[in-house]
Amino acid sequence: GAGVSQSPSNKVTEKGKDVELRCDPISGHTALYWYRQSLGQGLEFLIYFQGNSAPDKSGLPSDRFSAERTGGSVSTLTIQRTQQEDSAVYLCASSLLQGAEAFFGQGTRLTVV
Amino acid sequence: SQQGEEDPQALSIQEGENATMNCSYKTSINNLQWYRQNSGRGLVHLILIRSNEREKHSGRLRVTLDTSKKSSSLLITASRAADTASYFCATDSNSGNTGKLIFGQGTTLQVKP
Repeated sequence: GAGVSQSPSNKVTEKGKDVELRCDPISGHTALYWYRQSLGQGLEFLIYFQGNSAPDKSGLPSDRFSAERTGGSVSTLTIQRTQQEDSAVYLCASSLLQGAEAFFGQGTRLTVV
Repeated sequence: SQQGEEDPQALSIQEGENATMNCSYKTSINNLQWYRQNSGRGLVHLILIRSNEREKHSGRLRVTLDTSKKSSSLLITASRAADTASYFCATDSNSGNTGKLIFGQGTTLQVKP
């Protein structure tokens, strides 16, 4: 595709429900990143993929968070048993090579009520 | 913990003035990048400077890098109201898991017409 695509763009969910966030990176980009951003804050690193493997999962806030990437392309970030503190914008980015210029999607705004 | 720290946190200037933002980081890096974010959604890449470079220009942007001080600065010359945004530095560490882009907390720039 032309750019990084994230879906849904907005998600409102009830506390305790599971949510799945999707990221379609730019075709051919080997590196894929997930970040979380609370209102007025910086980007909190969650996880990144090189191909289908995740060399660094250290940013995932708790074991309720998981992510996978299949076929070196689409990635899903799953949050189980959502809590109100999970409310934030979740940003995905991809780059041709690890550490190179990253292209961002428009994010998913998650609201847990 | 975040790798990059920007200062100032907020900056307000008049159109036509120059804006300077600084970024400090902790570990050795492969490169440092600057991004811009409007309206709390996707980030746009501005410029990348490699660890063996000291200065780089792109249009009205000038970036410097001092690896001995582990710091970088972004200068926007002849600012315009459209430059109003948040600006983030991001580093690609060359220690531990490379390829992981870590962002600072950002500088919010307001350019008054």
